[in-house]
Amino acid sequence: EPEVTQTPSHQVTQMGQEVILRCVPISNHLYFYWYRQILGQKVEFLVSFYNNEISEKSEIFDDQFSVERPDGSNFTLKIRSTKLEDSAMYFCASSEQIRGGAAIWDTQYFGPGTRLTVL
Amino acid sequence: EDQVTQSPEALRLQEGESSSLNCSYTVSGLRGLFWYRQDPGKGPEFLFTLYSAGEEKEKERLKATLTKKESFLHITAPKPEDSATYLCAVQAFEDDKIIFGKGTRLHILP
Repeated sequence: EPEVTQTPSHQVTQMGQEVILRCVPISNHLYFYWYRQILGQKVEFLVSFYNNEISEKSEIFDDQFSVERPDGSNFTLKIRSTKLEDSAMYFCASSEQIRGGAAIWDTQYFGPGTRLTVL
Repeated sequence: EDQVTQSPEALRLQEGESSSLNCSYTVSGLRGLFWYRQDPGKGPEFLFTLYSAGEEKEKERLKATLTKKESFLHITAPKPEDSATYLCAVQAFEDDKIIFGKGTRLHILP
């Protein structure tokens, strides 16, 4: 069964350093997302990406964050200068929007996550 | 503001003891309601998508139902391997994002 994969599974970095989290979405999916989950809290939306551009972003997704689809399979999240409060699990997700008349069927499938620890 | 409230926060059941988890939601226009299972340190694992009031879906010991204001995840004769956090999430028509609740931590005792 196709699945979303993410690397690395765990990333430790020093405050102020840049990190890049990588994801390989499900191959026939066209919509890509990043979410994060701080320990003990809700899963929160960061950004969605479609047709090589950001489709929607949350208030969390400030200028320190960027996303890119560098090739036909990878989808990355870059944090330019990490802060202590960026420590969290980061989940990539992908979906295939299926349109039927006015209806849109859309389920987001999540990867296993990258645990980011900022020291 | 769109939001999702799940109850109870935690639930302990004996193996075989059936129960239901609740998800109350407010959303400007519901595009879909999702149930996911999350094991500790893992990503949300998709269970069900519901699109309209009255819809029901089943998978093994789980059944999800939807009304205009809430959804229930019924678990019948649970086993210890059903222990996990169950997340409810909603998506509005105009949004890409899905909004998650805090989840219900389910623990099934053998």
